[in-house]
Amino acid sequence: KAGVTQTPRYLIKTRGQQVTLSCSPISGHRSVSWYQQTPGQGLQFLFEYFSETQRNKGNFPGRFSGRQFSNSRSEMNVSTLELGDSALYLCASSLEVLNTEAFFGQGTRLTVV
Amino acid sequence: DAKTTQPPSMDCAEGRAANLPCNHSTISGNEYVYWYRQIHSQGPQYIIHGLKNNETNEMASLIITEDRKSSTLILPHATLRDTAVYYCIVRDPYGGATNKLIFGTGTLLAVQP
Repeated sequence: KAGVTQTPRYLIKTRGQQVTLSCSPISGHRSVSWYQQTPGQGLQFLFEYFSETQRNKGNFPGRFSGRQFSNSRSEMNVSTLELGDSALYLCASSLEVLNTEAFFGQGTRLTVV
Repeated sequence: DAKTTQPPSMDCAEGRAANLPCNHSTISGNEYVYWYRQIHSQGPQYIIHGLKNNETNEMASLIITEDRKSSTLILPHATLRDTAVYYCIVRDPYGGATNKLIFGTGTLLAVQP
């Protein structure tokens, strides 16, 4: 079956702009989580959605937001981009909320200039 | 903060077993030990998890000490494609209604030809 699909794979944006990233989970999976990976901070949890509801949120400013649709696809949005937002953004899907295994996508590489 | 401690890097000769250690001295009774790996520029990949018994699957073996304060991931016959950052994570998959993963800095395993 198809894995987790993230689009786009690469993005270049200018400071002050906003960006929307998309994640399609594995078919049948209802839990989607987002992570930010930077060389300095490593992999950090952003937020998690299940059945269109945000279940958990990491320690990121309000410029970072997300949502999940009824088909479990998820988007995350970053407004007023800063240079420090340059990172690999990863999406993970799991079958249920209480689950043992997460499947990650290839990520979206965002560069803010 | 991550509840695990791993060496920053290790080398292994191709074809030999790779033994990756992890310390988790504050692990609680309901927490499992998970291992993920991340090959360069890809999303993390689930490897294996366990509670207190040793576990084996097609990718690796997981050995957990009797006091559960440390564990070792074993790749029995390492190949060049096993070169990656390996993350050891402890979490309770059945509590807290979340799939959140807290990644530490991991171990960079370099398999040498």
